[in-house]
Amino acid sequence: DVKVTQSSRYLVKRTGEKVFLECVQDMDHENMFWYRQDPGLGLRLIYFSYDVKMKEKGDIPEGYSVSREKKERFSLILESASTNQTSMYLCASTDPYEQYFGPGTRLTVT
Amino acid sequence: AQKVTQAQTEISVVEKEDVTLDCVYETRDTTYYLFWYKQPPSGELVFLIRRNSFDEQNEISGRYSWNFQKSTSSFNFTITASQVVDSAVYFCALMLGRADGLTFGKGTHLIIQP
Repeated sequence: DVKVTQSSRYLVKRTGEKVFLECVQDMDHENMFWYRQDPGLGLRLIYFSYDVKMKEKGDIPEGYSVSREKKERFSLILESASTNQTSMYLCASTDPYEQYFGPGTRLTVT
Repeated sequence: AQKVTQAQTEISVVEKEDVTLDCVYETRDTTYYLFWYKQPPSGELVFLIRRNSFDEQNEISGRYSWNFQKSTSSFNFTITASQVVDSAVYFCALMLGRADGLTFGKGTHLIIQP
């Protein structure tokens, strides 16, 4: 079974903090993705990566950066968290056409 | 740019009724992939089906069926004899290529009442 894990299910951070969300997949997938989910907006693509050290902007990259130093790990970074980044964050990796999702991290920025 | 529209924000039916969730997509590409995902209250996204643009065959899996019509750019999902466990948010999504992300609709919240 493909497994995508995320470092935290719930996270509370203060405005201005630097936040790292970690995602690990165990199936040697090349492509990994970060989405955020907000009520009434569905899921929106933030960033994705198709190889180690490669990254591409998705639909809403502003305020975020990513890091992919190893194939199995894809990190989402909030350089200076803001309250409008309070959301559910979902990581996914592809197989290659089916996206497997992690359980999500619910981030609250106060 | 591509777009997925799920016009039904919320649907409520009584158990054992049939229910259809609508999905309309927009893309200029001739090759694309369509998906349905289920998100139960626990929050994880569960993959239900993938269809590529060259395969318009309808699919049935138990109580679930999908109707893909390129002529109307629709990929509708029907649950027959609904059950309370079907209560969830359902997302339709579109992907252009294997290295691309998914474009999701806003989801339909399905409530099955006992």
